[in-house]
Amino acid sequence: EDQVTQSPEALRLQEGESSSLNCSYTVSGLRGLFWYRQDPGKGPEFLFTLYSAGEEKEKERLKATLTKKESFLHITAPKPEDSATYLCAVDNQGGKLIFGQGTELSVKP
Amino acid sequence: DVKVTQSSRYLVKRTGEKVFLECVQDMDHENMFWYRQDPGLGLRLIYFSYDVKMKEKGDIPEGYSVSREKKERFSLILESASTNQTSMYLCASRLQRDGYTFGSGTRLTVV
Repeated sequence: EDQVTQSPEALRLQEGESSSLNCSYTVSGLRGLFWYRQDPGKGPEFLFTLYSAGEEKEKERLKATLTKKESFLHITAPKPEDSATYLCAVDNQGGKLIFGQGTELSVKP
Repeated sequence: DVKVTQSSRYLVKRTGEKVFLECVQDMDHENMFWYRQDPGLGLRLIYFSYDVKMKEKGDIPEGYSVSREKKERFSLILESASTNQTSMYLCASRLQRDGYTFGSGTRLTVV
């Protein structure tokens, strides 16, 4: 069964303390891996798409990487406004995305 | 800027009422989806549609139905609302290999 697992479930950082979020996946045929950010009470907002192992994407303090088994979302020198839940999802050629449970990130000043 | 618009941000309905949640996208996407999101359970797929008048059951379709009469509009219907349907409902649309574009969500409370 295709599956996506995110870790940790929750992460607390001090402002400026860099870290990484993990997304492990098992799918029969990966067509793409997606990262989203979700603020409380709002819909998820698209961040990145990764299609093949070795690919990397960057946006401000965020950098997403992909291997054949997992993806990392690296957060460099985070700020309080980076606090949110980060969701990972994969496209397994079934037309719909399979989501992980998310990592709730809290960045304290 | 592309958009998925959900008609209501907050709704309060009574048990037994028939509830309609509307979703409209302006991107000419063929694929549309309805999810519910609950603490600790993540996103769960209720129904999806690949084209006009087509619908497919997701993981938790019981107690729900959908309608897609036009390409841009995908409606979720709660035939007889119950308290266990209190949740955040998210609509999304998608174009082929792209990711989803989500709406802002509808927080439904059934009392």
